[in-house]
Amino acid sequence: ILNVEQSPQSLHVQEGDSTNFTCSFPSSNFYALHWYRWETAKSPEALFVMTLNGDEKKKGRISATLNTKEGYSYLYIKGSQPEDSATYLCAFCGGSTLGRLYFGRGTQLTVWP
Amino acid sequence: DGGITQSPKYLFRKEGQNVTLSCEQNLNHDAMYWYRQDPGQGLRLIYYSQIVNDFQKGDIAEGYSVSREKKESFPLTVTSAQKNPTAFYLCASSPGQGLSTEAFFGQGTRLTVV
Repeated sequence: ILNVEQSPQSLHVQEGDSTNFTCSFPSSNFYALHWYRWETAKSPEALFVMTLNGDEKKKGRISATLNTKEGYSYLYIKGSQPEDSATYLCAFCGGSTLGRLYFGRGTQLTVWP
Repeated sequence: DGGITQSPKYLFRKEGQNVTLSCEQNLNHDAMYWYRQDPGQGLRLIYYSQIVNDFQKGDIAEGYSVSREKKESFPLTVTSAQKNPTAFYLCASSPGQGLSTEAFFGQGTRLTVV
């Protein structure tokens, strides 16, 4: 089983603060790195799917970077809002099979008004 | 609207009984997945199927069984052999082999075995 690590496990910030999380994954046999947002009582929803080393993606106030050579990705949220409160999951696709994802345990973000 | 439907949302069963969780998708996706989530753990893969009539074991397949007779449907049976069946179960789908595009998730089924 491939190891995907996310840090921190949880994060509490004030509205307006910027924050970032880390996802670490194997640096060999990389295929894709996914980020999902999972709000309470809802389904996980994709934020980004990244496939190229050095890739940077942005959606509104949320952005992500990818370093496949060293095996990490950062997710940034600029000016956090209470509606950003959710668990953020990263998932690695690669290794010996490309047909499945390996998920980290997630970072639980709480944004206080 | 296109999406993934899991039913029921909550399920209670007595210990020793088999139970089947439903997952249906109308996204025309080839690949479907079953995950389990326990408190403090990430999503762990139970089974996945990349094409009709074919499926593979994930990391925690013991005590579970699946079938993929139709493209739209991927039911999961939790058998009496599963030692700790109480958990939250998520179904997902993706367009095809090779996950360079996003996966789509259902809303989950919370199974409680008493």
